[in-house]
Amino acid sequence: EDKVVQSPLSLVVHEGDTVTLNCSYEVTNFRSLLWYKQEKKAPTFLFMLTSSGIEKKSGRLSSILDKKELFSILNITATQTGDSAVYLCAEEGGSQGNLIFGKGTKLSVKP
Amino acid sequence: KAGVTQTPRYLIKTRGQQVTLSCSPISGHRSVSWYQQTPGQGLQFLFEYFSETQRNKGNFPGRFSGRQFSNSRSEMNVSTLELGDSALYLCASSPVLNTEAFFGQGTRLTVV
Repeated sequence: EDKVVQSPLSLVVHEGDTVTLNCSYEVTNFRSLLWYKQEKKAPTFLFMLTSSGIEKKSGRLSSILDKKELFSILNITATQTGDSAVYLCAEEGGSQGNLIFGKGTKLSVKP
Repeated sequence: KAGVTQTPRYLIKTRGQQVTLSCSPISGHRSVSWYQQTPGQGLQFLFEYFSETQRNKGNFPGRFSGRQFSNSRSEMNVSTLELGDSALYLCASSPVLNTEAFFGQGTRLTVV
């Protein structure tokens, strides 16, 4: 059965810290791995990764995929209180080709 | 460009009733997916529509159904509501299949 596991489940840091969020997956017919940020309701798209070893970067956020070891990480540098959210990892593939989500990592950034 | 619009935003229903939720995708997007989000289970895939055809379906009972119209707008219906159906229902649209999905604000359904 396809699955996505995120760790840690929750994390509390202080402003300015750097955090690394982990996502591992087991899936058939892998197509892509996606990261979303969910603050209140609508998850907002962050990154889509399809190739191993190529870092995607957007401001203080970056992500990379390792297709051999079946995991991805999301890095956030110089964290701010506005980064507080649930970060969701999703894998696109499986027998149905739909998105399979992990349970998320709840990040709390304290001033 | 307007985002994904879901209506209503909040809904309270009684056990045994049925409910219809609506989703208008981003203009030009032809793929619409539905997800159920609960604290215990996280985001779970319900179904996906593309060009008015259901392409994929998740592991939900037959009480959950959906459809997509020619203008790509989609509805999902839940019949014979149960307390466990209380959740945030999220709709996501994509230009085509297998690309990044953009989510709406969701409909918060409470079954009492």
